[in-house]
Amino acid sequence: DAGVTQSPTHLIKTRGQHVTLRCSPISGHKSVSWYQQVLGQGPQFIFQYYEKEERGRGNFPDRFSARQFPNYSSELNVNALLLGDSALYLCASSPFLDLYNEQFFGPGTRLTVL
Amino acid sequence: GQQLNQSPQSMFIQEGEDVSMNCTSSSIFNTWLWYKQDPGEGPVLLIALYKAGELTSNGRLTAQFGITRKDSFLNISASIPSDVGIYFCAGPSPQGGSEKLVFGKGTKLTVNP
Repeated sequence: DAGVTQSPTHLIKTRGQHVTLRCSPISGHKSVSWYQQVLGQGPQFIFQYYEKEERGRGNFPDRFSARQFPNYSSELNVNALLLGDSALYLCASSPFLDLYNEQFFGPGTRLTVL
Repeated sequence: GQQLNQSPQSMFIQEGEDVSMNCTSSSIFNTWLWYKQDPGEGPVLLIALYKAGELTSNGRLTAQFGITRKDSFLNISASIPSDVGIYFCAGPSPQGGSEKLVFGKGTKLTVNP
């Protein structure tokens, strides 16, 4: 069975641009969460979507937005990119709403902002 | 915001040695999760703890939910080279409910063969 997949693997953007990252959850999983992992830090929660509704939001500016599609795949959008947005962006899926049940992480998208 | 403090930040050990690491918080947690992240991969859940005082094993890994509910410990026995990676503790943010998950900064483990 396929695990969580994310695209693209790597991305280079310049300041002020916008970016769209994509995530396909494990089949049957209705919850998708997004995390930002800066080098040397643990993942930081950005959003959770469950059944196509936003169910949680971390302390990120409005430049960050996301959505979940009817097939439960998800997109993370970041506008007006800043140098500090450079990070590994992780997507995790779960059959459950509660994040303290097991989540399955994808390999991430490495975003570099120049 | 809510923070989890992990120690040590890094460890360098010989194959076969036992490893101990911990995670503390200034607030009470109702669940503790331990993840491992290999280079180029996303984190993988190792052990989940749901009850104060709980001691749970997964092969050579043992984790404990502290009695005060403000700390947790992870032990690895007889380490092997594939134990190399970064170990994170995590838990649902008490302020945010179960929809927010907070991670520590990680303990980086290096195992010398």
